[in-house]
Amino acid sequence: AQSVSQHNHHVILSEAASLELGCNYSYGGTVNLFWYVQYPGQHLQLLLKYFSGDPLVKGIKGFEAEFIKSKFSFNLRKPSVQWSDTAEYFCAVATSGTYKYIFGTGTRLKVLA
Amino acid sequence: EAGVVQSPRYKIIEKKQPVAFWCNPISGHNTLYWYRQNLGQGPELLIRYENEEAVDDSQLPKDRFSAERLKGVDSTLKIQPAELGDSAVYLCASSLKWELSEQYFGPGTRLTVT
Repeated sequence: AQSVSQHNHHVILSEAASLELGCNYSYGGTVNLFWYVQYPGQHLQLLLKYFSGDPLVKGIKGFEAEFIKSKFSFNLRKPSVQWSDTAEYFCAVATSGTYKYIFGTGTRLKVLA
Repeated sequence: EAGVVQSPRYKIIEKKQPVAFWCNPISGHNTLYWYRQNLGQGPELLIRYENEEAVDDSQLPKDRFSAERLKGVDSTLKIQPAELGDSAVYLCASSLKWELSEQYFGPGTRLTVT
């Protein structure tokens, strides 16, 4: 069965630290990849997406993610986090063959001022 | 542009009672999703509509859950009867079409079954 794994459930960083959140999926076919973010008290919203082309994609607020097909990974990165990045981050995969949209369990990030 | 609207935002019911959730997607979005999100978990798809057709309801517990999307616009998700394990946040999302589209989420309905 297809699945999405987010290895870090809780991450605590100080402001200006670098961030990398892991995301791995299990599906051998074509995928579209997403990172969503949920700030405290707000809706889930799209951070960035990958459909095709350059495997390094840039999103809002300085976030980027790299699709490594051979590793089935789509890790999220930010060089320098801010207190306002405190939120829960979800990786999601859309599988074109089976038409499934699967979310990971989420990573709760807390940035200390 | 108005976002995805859901109501109610919170609902507390006793077990065995029925409950219904309503969702109005973004105008022009053909695809509508209902998710259930348990505490500490990611959203899990319950049902996906393309216009008024339910194209994926494989994860919908059909013995107690039902959904409809009449006229291909707003949608209702119902649970009857509710069980303690149904306590969760129920999210509605919409997108222009399934493939290659990001989803826009509503605020969710937090259901507590006592």
